[in-house]
Amino acid sequence: DAGVIQSPRHEVTEMGQEVTLRCKPISGHNSLFWYRQTMMRGLELLIYFNNNVPIDDSGMPEDRFSAKMPNASFSTLKIQPSEPRDSAVYFCASKRQLTGNEQFFGPGTRLTVL
Amino acid sequence: AQTVTQSQPEMSVQEAETVTLSCTYDTSESDYYLFWYKQPPSRQMILVIRQEAYKQQNATENRFSVNFQKAAKSFSLKISDSQLGDAAMYFCAYRGANTGNQFYFGTGTSLTVIP
Repeated sequence: DAGVIQSPRHEVTEMGQEVTLRCKPISGHNSLFWYRQTMMRGLELLIYFNNNVPIDDSGMPEDRFSAKMPNASFSTLKIQPSEPRDSAVYFCASKRQLTGNEQFFGPGTRLTVL
Repeated sequence: AQTVTQSQPEMSVQEAETVTLSCTYDTSESDYYLFWYKQPPSRQMILVIRQEAYKQQNATENRFSVNFQKAAKSFSLKISDSQLGDAAMYFCAYRGANTGNQFYFGTGTSLTVIP
């Protein structure tokens, strides 16, 4: 199995720029999660999808953040415009919705906003 | 909302010794799952062990075992014969069995293994 794939692994951008993070879940997994990890706030759930439908986006910090899942094998997390306080590691994770218990995490994207 | 608490931000253990990481949680659900994830410096989150709340027997995976106390809402991780490769951040996580797919994570415990 390829595991959860995230791209890019590292992203450095300037304040005000648009950033798009990408995730490919494990084939057959129909739940997908986006997390943000910082030293100050730990691991925060931003949003999660079941069968491509957003279920809970209450963790999305503000309107600058948006996430989409156009199909079962692809999701994006977009920040527009980006700010320095968005600097963090962003993880994508997936699981089988009904029968799976644990989440499988991708390697994360380290985002630095200058 | 469910909360997961890890009261030990940092722990250290001598190589080959045993260490226990603490985790408590708060929930009104009767059926749920508990997990320990390991995050080494590579940042990859790796599942270490999981426990179903309906099972009384504590889960064990090689050198890793848990002490699950349902009444006390406690879920500690014991690492036996600690190895240098065990050095990592360890996160405790909770998922309700009937309340959707959302996971709740603790703030993590940083484990150092001393050679």
